[in-house]
Amino acid sequence: AQSVSQHNHHVILSEAASLELGCNYSYGGTVNLFWYVQYPGQHLQLLLKYFSGDPLVKGIKGFEAEFIKSKFSFNLRKPSVQWSDTAEYFCAVNAAGFQKLVFGTGTRLLVSP
Amino acid sequence: EPEVTQTPSHQVTQMGQEVILRCVPISNHLYFYWYRQILGQKVEFLVSFYNNEISEKSEIFDDQFSVERPDGSNFTLKIRSTKLEDSAMYFCASRETQGGYNEQFFGPGTRLTVL
Repeated sequence: AQSVSQHNHHVILSEAASLELGCNYSYGGTVNLFWYVQYPGQHLQLLLKYFSGDPLVKGIKGFEAEFIKSKFSFNLRKPSVQWSDTAEYFCAVNAAGFQKLVFGTGTRLLVSP
Repeated sequence: EPEVTQTPSHQVTQMGQEVILRCVPISNHLYFYWYRQILGQKVEFLVSFYNNEISEKSEIFDDQFSVERPDGSNFTLKIRSTKLEDSAMYFCASRETQGGYNEQFFGPGTRLTVL
């Protein structure tokens, strides 16, 4: 069965600090990987995705993620966070041949000005 | 920019009542999904729907749940006899397909409270 682990449940940073949110998945086959963000009061929005090719993917708002197949990881990074990045971040996996997305538990990020 | 819409935003119902949650997917999308998130827990997949039939479902999606695409625009989730544990945020999603996998676009959710 597929599963996704996000190790940080709550992260508090000051503006301009660097961010790295961990995501590990368990599935032996081909996967598509996603980070979704949910700003307060808003719906889930796609931040970035990995389907194939360059394992370093760039998303919106300066976010990037690196797929490391050997580690089953897809960590999210941003070199300098802003107050407006305060949100909940979800890592999700879609295994080839399946329709569903399997989500991690989410990480609540609070950026203090 | 096209988006997935859901109605109502909040639904309060008594245990044992039937509820229908409505979704309007993005117009050229072909795959439709329902997920739910119980407060404090993960977003969980319920069901996917393609070509007027269920293509995948989870163990959660038992006989009390059903989905329907009654016309060319709406996609509904029906819970026949609600239980307290059905209280959750229900998200609809849709996906375009062009031969490969694309991302799912999510609606704002319907918060269902069962009393």
